[in-house]
Amino acid sequence: AQSVTQLDSQVPVFEEAPVELRCNYSSSVSVYLFWYVQYPNQGLQLLLKYLSGSTLVKGINGFEAEFNKSQTSFHLRKPSVHISDTAEYFCAVSENSGNTPLVFGKGTRLSVIA
Amino acid sequence: EPEVTQTPSHQVTQMGQEVILRCVPISNHLYFYWYRQILGQKVEFLVSFYNNEISEKSEIFDDQFSVERPDGSNFTLKIRSTKLEDSAMYFCASSGVGGHTDTQYFGPGTRLTVL
Repeated sequence: AQSVTQLDSQVPVFEEAPVELRCNYSSSVSVYLFWYVQYPNQGLQLLLKYLSGSTLVKGINGFEAEFNKSQTSFHLRKPSVHISDTAEYFCAVSENSGNTPLVFGKGTRLSVIA
Repeated sequence: EPEVTQTPSHQVTQMGQEVILRCVPISNHLYFYWYRQILGQKVEFLVSFYNNEISEKSEIFDDQFSVERPDGSNFTLKIRSTKLEDSAMYFCASSGVGGHTDTQYFGPGTRLTVL
């Protein structure tokens, strides 16, 4: 079984500053990794994903994440945040056999301060 | 861009009543899912559905829950006798076949409030 740990429940950051949201996972099988974003009162939107290939993946809105197999991590980064990035960010993992359930972390609330 | 839609956006019901939550997955997708998110908690998997049958379910998905694909477009979640602890946001998701089989796309959710 897989599990996902998002160590930071809340991350406040000033506008235009860089941010890193941490995600660690555990699994006995190979996995796919995802970051979803949930804006206030909205559903889950796919930000980016790692399925295979390059360990650095780029997503929407200037976000990127790096898959580190040895550290079982998939941290999300953005070099300069905007007020509009204020949202809840969820890291998720699934087995890489396709169409398997996602296991989510508890989420990190990113608050961008003007 | 095609998207998953869900209705209603908010459902209020009395404890013990039956509710049906509706979803229209992306049209060429073949795998369908329900997840729930209790307020302040993580998103949890309930059930997955493929080829007109349940392919996987979690321990949360007990006998009070059922899913159905009544026609070629809708995918429903029925809760037979709601409990207070069923209050949550319920998300439908779908995924396809081919290059994007491993990416689940989520709907906006239905907020269920059980009184």
